[in-house]
Amino acid sequence: GENVEQHPSTLSVQEGDSAVIKCTYSDSASNYFPWYKQELGKGPQLIIDIRSNVGEKKDQRIAVTLNKTAKHFSLHITETQPEDSAVYFCAASRVGADSWGKLQFGAGTQVVVTP
Amino acid sequence: NAGVTQTPKFRVLKTGQSMTLLCAQDMNHEYMYWYRQDPGMGLRLIHYSVGEGTTAKGEVPDGYNVSRLKKQNFLLGLESAAPSQTSVYFCASTDGEGSLLPQETQYFGPGTRLLVL
Repeated sequence: GENVEQHPSTLSVQEGDSAVIKCTYSDSASNYFPWYKQELGKGPQLIIDIRSNVGEKKDQRIAVTLNKTAKHFSLHITETQPEDSAVYFCAASRVGADSWGKLQFGAGTQVVVTP
Repeated sequence: NAGVTQTPKFRVLKTGQSMTLLCAQDMNHEYMYWYRQDPGMGLRLIHYSVGEGTTAKGEVPDGYNVSRLKKQNFLLGLESAAPSQTSVYFCASTDGEGSLLPQETQYFGPGTRLLVL
């Protein structure tokens, strides 16, 4: 089955700096890679996703890149703000009739943005 | 539109006791999932359902049972709780209605924190 590794486990950045979280996956058939943000005491919430036919996707201050050959994808947050402090999870999935939307999650990255 | 709700928010059990966690969604989603979240391990899929009356095992199903008697509800049961089941449990749902494939975005509930002594 799919295995997703996520690094680093914790990341401390100064407000205004950039943050980068990296994930690798094992199943070359995976074709959907979402990122979820989990604030304290809440459930995860999708912030951005990318499909295997795209190499990069941006949404304001966040961007995701995908390298299918190396089987890794990354989340980039620019101009970090205190409200970016949260746990971020990457995930991978093989979208198709027999996958039923199941996601394999990474272990998570605790991001702390200090003023 | 409340989205995905979970009951209870917090529960303490003694080893061997049983309980049921309730997940409800008002988005008419076809697919529902139960995850557990443990430190350093991310979210792991326990069981899932692709429609009313159907359930299937996920990555870590042992010690849990589920039922989907109504489309909007997905119940997770612990028949005989063990300390290893101390965790935070999340329910999620995905919109698969009208399509053969689920829409990818999963919507999560706020979680249930369970402590088994």
